[in-house]
Amino acid sequence: EKQLVDSGGGLVKPGGSLRLSCAASGFTFSNAWMNWVRQPPGKGLEWVGRIKSQTDGGTTDYAAPVKGRFTLSRDDSENTLYLQMNSLKTEDTGVYYCTTILWSFGMDVWGQGTTVTVSS
Amino acid sequence: QSALTQPPSASGSPGQSVTISCTGTSVGGYNFVSWYQQHPGKAPKLLIYEVTKRPSGVPDRFSGSKSGNTASLTVSGLQAEDEADFYCSSNAGSNNYVVFGGGTKVTVL
Repeated sequence: EKQLVDSGGGLVKPGGSLRLSCAASGFTFSNAWMNWVRQPPGKGLEWVGRIKSQTDGGTTDYAAPVKGRFTLSRDDSENTLYLQMNSLKTEDTGVYYCTTILWSFGMDVWGQGTTVTVSS
Repeated sequence: QSALTQPPSASGSPGQSVTISCTGTSVGGYNFVSWYQQHPGKAPKLLIYEVTKRPSGVPDRFSGSKSGNTASLTVSGLQAEDEADFYCSSNAGSNNYVVFGGGTKVTVL
């Protein structure tokens, strides 16, 4: 069974940093394009960014609100995806989901989500 | 503000059909529309990808279509368990970004 387990969320002050992790199992992680989506409290889904597989270049793309502050990376030897979040703002508060993402942008496997709260 | 527009709510009685729309310029230019179902407190689940395709395990009561700049998700034979929030997504034009609709809350009367 394909599974993603998100972790690393917590409470952080504005301007602080946090690193989220996503552990994958049940599929060939090194071949997968991976993705983060977030959901502010009581609001809809918002795309954060995507990283391609190393064989497809390992390139990253980011949504405008997080570009320059967030960094996606992957450790294929550990089957783990990371999201390094710096210069956090209160508007970054929400549940963060890691997902696999198809070449056609469909997100077919989702983690359970991890909650990030940015507050003083 | 979402680049994809969905109605905030929709409803239907058990056994009926409900259709949710998703409108945006990227919808018309590409066949990359996906639909997700999210129950309260749960992670979203992929229902439809590439406009009409269903992942393994998704009931055929869920179907997708597209006409011009508007994609649609139809839920046939509504069941109580279908009550949830539904989101569409697509690529955001010619770049590699992804955009979501604002979501539609479906109520089973």
